[in-house]
This record gives sequence, C-alpha cells and structure tokens, in this order.
Amino acid sequence: EPEVTQTPSHQVTQMGQEVILRCVPISNHLYFYWYRQILGQKVEFLVSFYNNEISEKSEIFDDQFSVERPDGSNFTLKIRSTKLEDSAMYFCASTPRLYGYTFGSGTRLTVV
Amino acid sequence: QKEVEQNSGPLSVPEGAIASLNCTYSDRGSQSFFWYRQYSGKSPELIMFIYSNGDKEDGRFTAQLNKASQYVSLLIRDSQPSDSATYLCAVDSNYQLIWGAGTKLIIKP
Repeated sequence: EPEVTQTPSHQVTQMGQEVILRCVPISNHLYFYWYRQILGQKVEFLVSFYNNEISEKSEIFDDQFSVERPDGSNFTLKIRSTKLEDSAMYFCASTPRLYGYTFGSGTRLTVV
Repeated sequence: QKEVEQNSGPLSVPEGAIASLNCTYSDRGSQSFFWYRQYSGKSPELIMFIYSNGDKEDGRFTAQLNKASQYVSLLIRDSQPSDSATYLCAVDSNYQLIWGAGTKLIIKP
C-alpha cells in the first residue's frame, strides 16, 4: 500500500536554528497538509497546499513557517528561528481529494 | 472558535465487549466526520469516516452521526486488546480538520 514518507523521524535542534522537515506524499495525490501535535495535546492544522500554492493556513502558521514543493515530489516544511514551543510531532498528510488523509509516520522535533 | 470535544478517558472495557466512544462538535456547517486511532508515539490512522446521518458499519466498527445533535460516535464490537489506543474524532471545517483531544481506550484481557 502506498505510504507518505517523512524524514527525519527525529530532529533535535538548538533554539534559533532553522529546520526543514521533509515529506514525500503519495504520487497521485493532489492535496498536501502539515499538522502538528504537541505532546499530550490535540492535533493542530498548520497548512494545506494544492496546485503548488497554499490553500489554507492556521493562525499557528505565521511568518516563521513556510512550505515548498521544490521538485514535484517532495513537500517540505521550513521553520525559521525555532522556538522551544515548536517542539512537537509534525505530520505530513496527502489525499487524492479533499479528506481521506493518509498520514506519514511523523517527525519528532525537539528544540533545546 | 470551532471545537471538537471528547471525553479524555481512560475508558476501560473488558475484552469482547462493546466500546462506545463519543464526540460532539460546534460547527453546524461540518459535513465530514472522521475517526482516527493513534497508538502512543505514532501517527493517526484512519478507521472510519461518515458523511450522512445514521449508522455506517465496517467490520467491527460502527460510526453513528446525528447532525441535529452535532454528535458522532464510534462503536467497537468484540473489543480486542489490540484496540487499546487513543481514538481521535476529527471534523471538517473550511477544508481543514479540527481535532478532538482523543479518548484513551483500554481493553482489559
């Protein structure tokens, strides 16, 4: 069964550093998403991406965050100048249509 | 603020019994409702989705939706120890999912 692949599985970074989280969505999917889950808290929507542009973003997705689909297969989330409160599991998801998400296994980001 | 509410549990159910998980939501415009299972440290895994009022069955799982009461539930029949996990309710709102905090389900052998 096709999978959404995320790398790395765990990233430790120093506060103030930039990180790039990478995702390879399922190849025939059209919609791409980033969600995050702070330990013990709800899953939170960050951003959706369709037709090579952001379609929706949450209040969390401020100027610190950006997304790209640089080569037609990868889908990246960049966090500039990381803060302690950015520590969370970050999930990439893709779907061939609205909803019916397939989630990747996640990247655990730890900011120290 | 659009909300999805779930009882955090833990809900403890004997093996072989029916587990009943409940969820309420605030956005009357929501059309699609999802149940995900999440094991500790893992990503959410879709179990069922439902769009129409009434019941939808898939194997041991039944999702129930009542839009008038803004209520969606998940029944798990013949509960197994492997069903022990956190169950997340998610509701569509403006092309994004709003998530509940999850109910922790424990199936006792």
